[in-house]
Amino acid sequence: DAGITQSPRYKITETGRQVTLMCHQTWSHSYMFWYRQDLGHGLRLIYYSAAADITDKGEVPDGYVVSRSKTENFPLTLESATRSQTSVYFCASSESRQGYEQYFGPGTRLTVT
Amino acid sequence: RKEVEQDPGPFNVPEGATVAFNCTYSNSASQSFFWYRQDCRKEPKLLMSVYSSGNEDGRFTAQLNRASQYISLLIRDSKLSDSATYLCVEGSARQLTFGSGTQLTVLP
Repeated sequence: DAGITQSPRYKITETGRQVTLMCHQTWSHSYMFWYRQDLGHGLRLIYYSAAADITDKGEVPDGYVVSRSKTENFPLTLESATRSQTSVYFCASSESRQGYEQYFGPGTRLTVT
Repeated sequence: RKEVEQDPGPFNVPEGATVAFNCTYSNSASQSFFWYRQDCRKEPKLLMSVYSSGNEDGRFTAQLNRASQYISLLIRDSKLSDSATYLCVEGSARQLTFGSGTQLTVLP
């Protein structure tokens, strides 16, 4: 049971480059989420998706783009990476509504130099 | 003002001790509540949901007080393996909101 996976697990990139973080879940959960976690801020929601082709902004969406062409995949793209986007990124999924319990992937540690 | 506030700790307790964490939330429309556990550099994992009537799972007891808008987690007979950061979470119709976490270290 793979559950929810993320790739890459670690990434170093340069300022201004485009970076895509991948998230894949095998549970057929309707909802998927992207969070970033920084010291002092806890987990902050970037974007979420209620179903294929339905996405919406979270608390900190600026500088990020998402898509969801298939239920199982929810990639997050940093269009032009900045140092402030250095963070740990977690993808999560939920069987039903947004406020329901969520299950997290292992995270991607991104460093922007 | 943070929507979910927790004492960051750290809480350092001896093995076998009982430890309690509290957190407060500001959204009176919150519909669901959880405690998550996060080990260093790993993903958060659901520890337990929190119900109005209070609920227990082994050594862990969670309580919700809607009138005062706080949630608590009690850990009895602490084990070394309980060392982690505990995240208080409230859910509204739109999203989950996470506290910054309380760090627990159980000492031998």
